[in-house]
Parts: sequence; C-alpha cells; structure tokens
Amino acid sequence: ETGVTQSPTHLIKTRGQQVTLRCSSQSGHNTVSWYQQALGQGPQFIFQYYREEENGRGNFPPRFSGLQFPNYSSELNVNALELDDSALYLCASSAKTGVNSPLHFGNGTRLTVT
Amino acid sequence: AQSVTQPDIHITVSEGASLELRCNYSYGATPYLFWYVQSPGQGLQLLLKYFSGDTLVQGIKGFEAEFKRSQSSFNLRKPSVHWSDAAEYFCAVDNLRDNYGQNFVFGPGTRLSVLP
Repeated sequence: ETGVTQSPTHLIKTRGQQVTLRCSSQSGHNTVSWYQQALGQGPQFIFQYYREEENGRGNFPPRFSGLQFPNYSSELNVNALELDDSALYLCASSAKTGVNSPLHFGNGTRLTVT
Repeated sequence: AQSVTQPDIHITVSEGASLELRCNYSYGATPYLFWYVQSPGQGLQLLLKYFSGDTLVQGIKGFEAEFKRSQSSFNLRKPSVHWSDAAEYFCAVDNLRDNYGQNFVFGPGTRLSVLP
C-alpha cells in the first residue's frame, strides 16, 4: 500500500511569486485535504477535494487554490506569496466511505517565503 | 465554532514513567476525535480514533485514550513511555458538516520530551 507522497519536500520562494505543491493520495483514497502548519502550531484546514471538486474550505483567501485530478492526486497553488505563507503544507487523503474516515498525512512540503 | 485545546504546551517525563496528555474540545454533537503524533520534519501519524461505543480506545504504540463526555475531554495515556515517544502530539476533532466533507480542527499540540 502506497502512502501519501508530497513534492517537493522543501521550497524557497520570494514574496509575490506563485507556487505549486503536489500530492499523491494513498492507494484507494479518493478525498484529498490540504493543511497549513505554521511553526509551533497545529495544522489549519485549507480545503478538501472530492471527485475533482472543492468540498469544503477553511478561512484562507482565494489566492489559495487547488485541483484534484482523475487519479485523485492533487495540487495546491498559492499566488502572490506573502511572508506569512511560510509554513509546512500537509496533504492528507482519506477514503470517502463514511464521514468518519481518518486522515492519512504525507510528510509535507516546507515552504519558505523571503 | 468548534475548538480543541491542549493545556500543556510541553511535558517532560522520564523513560518508563506513565504519561497523560490532556485534550478538551468544544463541539455541539457527538464528536469524532483523533490523536496524531508528529516527529520532527515529518507528517502526522494517526495514533487512535474515537467514533462511538466504548469510551476507552486503544491505539498503536501502546497508547490509549478515554472519551469523557461530561468533561468534554479525550486524554491520551501510556503506562510506560519509551525514548522514541518524544514527539509532538495533536488532538483533533472532525468538524462534520451535514455528513459531507471533513474539516479536522487540531489543537495547538503538546511537545513531549523523554529523559533517559
């Protein structure tokens, strides 16, 4: 069973630039969620995708956007990067067989905005 | 709004000692509760979950947690801590919306240090 994989592992960008982070979900999972984890804090929900459509969104501005592909992999795009966007971005997949499916996390992408 | 609090930012225990990490939640209905562990530079690993039924749930690595509705708590316990348990621990509640979609609300985390 292949777990959740994310790429790249680390990324450095300049304020104002755009970034794309990628995630491959765990085998058999059709739902992907993205979380932002600032240093020393718990993860914060960005959004979730199910069947290639956004299925819930947290308190993040529209410059945070995403995609889910037919193979259930996903991208997180962030435009007009700000210094406060520096964080660990976690992707999690789950099996949409019920509303109580645990999230299975990847190791994250560490984004640094300078 | 749903919320999760973990009153202890940092806990230090000696190897072999018992451990209890506290978690309190604010949620209107029966919550779906989780404990995750995060090692430095890693993602989150699921330790255990509570959905319904027996209020004492067993997880991986010898961890257990007890759901107490009257106290809105879901504390994590381990009878004997190993040095490899040193990590960050997060309690989370699934903020369900109309039985459709997931939105996990995480607590701020408790960092566990283990003394040899």
